[in-house]
Amino acid sequence: GAVVSQHPSRVICKSGTSVKIECRSLDFQATTMFWYRQFPKKSLMLMATSNEGSKATYEQGVEKDKFLINHASLTLSTLTVTSAHPEDSSFYICSARVLGQVDTEAFFGQGTRLTVV
Amino acid sequence: EDQVTQSPEALRLQEGESSSLNCSYTVSGLRGLFWYRQDPGKGPEFLFTLYSAGEEKEKERLKATLTKKESFLHITAPKPEDSATYLCAAFSSGSARQLTFGSGTQLTVLP
Repeated sequence: GAVVSQHPSRVICKSGTSVKIECRSLDFQATTMFWYRQFPKKSLMLMATSNEGSKATYEQGVEKDKFLINHASLTLSTLTVTSAHPEDSSFYICSARVLGQVDTEAFFGQGTRLTVV
Repeated sequence: EDQVTQSPEALRLQEGESSSLNCSYTVSGLRGLFWYRQDPGKGPEFLFTLYSAGEEKEKERLKATLTKKESFLHITAPKPEDSATYLCAAFSSGSARQLTFGSGTQLTVLP
């Protein structure tokens, strides 16, 4: 299957600082990437849909100024958590679909464990 | 609004004890039903996609089936390495290209 690489896998940052998480599709092009947040023992909560070359679409309740998404190319999307607070600590996961295949499975990155201290 | 419900929340099996996980869905125009496996601290790993009622897919000890209202993930003679959280997700014509996930079933297979 297609490979999605997410980096870093773990990050610890201080309150008030910003953290960038990268999501790359390694062997395919993805016009659309998705960013999820997962709380312990809970399912994935969609935060935003990232489209190459255009602004991301955020889900209701997700602060777009806090969670900045950039999808500069067909293989890279980034999520920047700005002015991080302890309540932003969570597991963040990205996924991508193969270009032109909207009905197929989405491939997921390995996830990023963010801890804000 | 699309909804996906999984049961049970948690399941403990003895090695070799077969069982099934349930995924009920209420979506407007199902275009695909996906099963994923997630290990602790990892992203979901794709298992199966089912597109129409009556369809079945198999992979090693796992078999996924689909009806018009639900999907089952059958696990035959499980091994401890099958322990994980199993997630199902629906993709519908009304979902604007996003998946609706269930809350998952945490499976533990005891040796």
